Amino acid sequence: GAVVSQHPSRVICKSGTSVKIECRSLDFQATTMFWYRQFPKQSLMLMATSNEGSKATYEQGVEKDKFLINHASLTLSTLTVTSAHPEDSSFYICSASLPGLADLSYNEQFFGPGTRLTVL
Amino acid sequence: ILNVEQSPQSLHVQEGDSTNFTCSFPSSNFYALHWYRWETAKSPEALFVMTLNGDEKKKGRISATLNTKEGYSYLYIKGSQPEDSATYLCASPTGTASKLTFGTGTRLQVTL
Repeated sequence: GAVVSQHPSRVICKSGTSVKIECRSLDFQATTMFWYRQFPKQSLMLMATSNEGSKATYEQGVEKDKFLINHASLTLSTLTVTSAHPEDSSFYICSASLPGLADLSYNEQFFGPGTRLTVL
Repeated sequence: ILNVEQSPQSLHVQEGDSTNFTCSFPSSNFYALHWYRWETAKSPEALFVMTLNGDEKKKGRISATLNTKEGYSYLYIKGSQPEDSATYLCASPTGTASKLTFGTGTRLQVTL
């Protein structure tokens, strides 16, 4: 099946530093990847849609300068949390759809295992 | 219903019990309903994607039904096993076809 990896699984950083999270599709090419954030006891919230070779599309309320997304290849999307602060502490998880099917509502998404970010 | 909602929030059953939980979603502009199983420290894994009103899907001991007119889906687990312990998420595209809105999940714990 389609496998998505995510690295790192856990990161602790000091306030003001930047943190990069990688999302890789291991056995398929993903032209579209999605980044979600989950706060405790809340649902997965879509942050942005990452498109290979073009700018990401951010959801309302998500600062694009704060959460930099780069989808430079068909198998890698990165999320950089810039100048992280304690309120950015959360669980970040990515997903990908099979190529050509990302816009279809019935197409399942393949998720990475997520990254737990703690900002001190 | 404006958002995707799930109930109960958590469930604790004994091995062998059958159980079910609910996902409610906006019935207008319906595209699809997704069910995912999310085991601790692993990636969420798709169980079902359902699109047709009245649809019923089955995978082993797990099955799901869909009512798009009233905006709900049920997930059933027959003869629960400890390995069924996980959080079960449902999601539906709201707004646009490709963007999933998730419920908060039902956390199932099956004990011996």
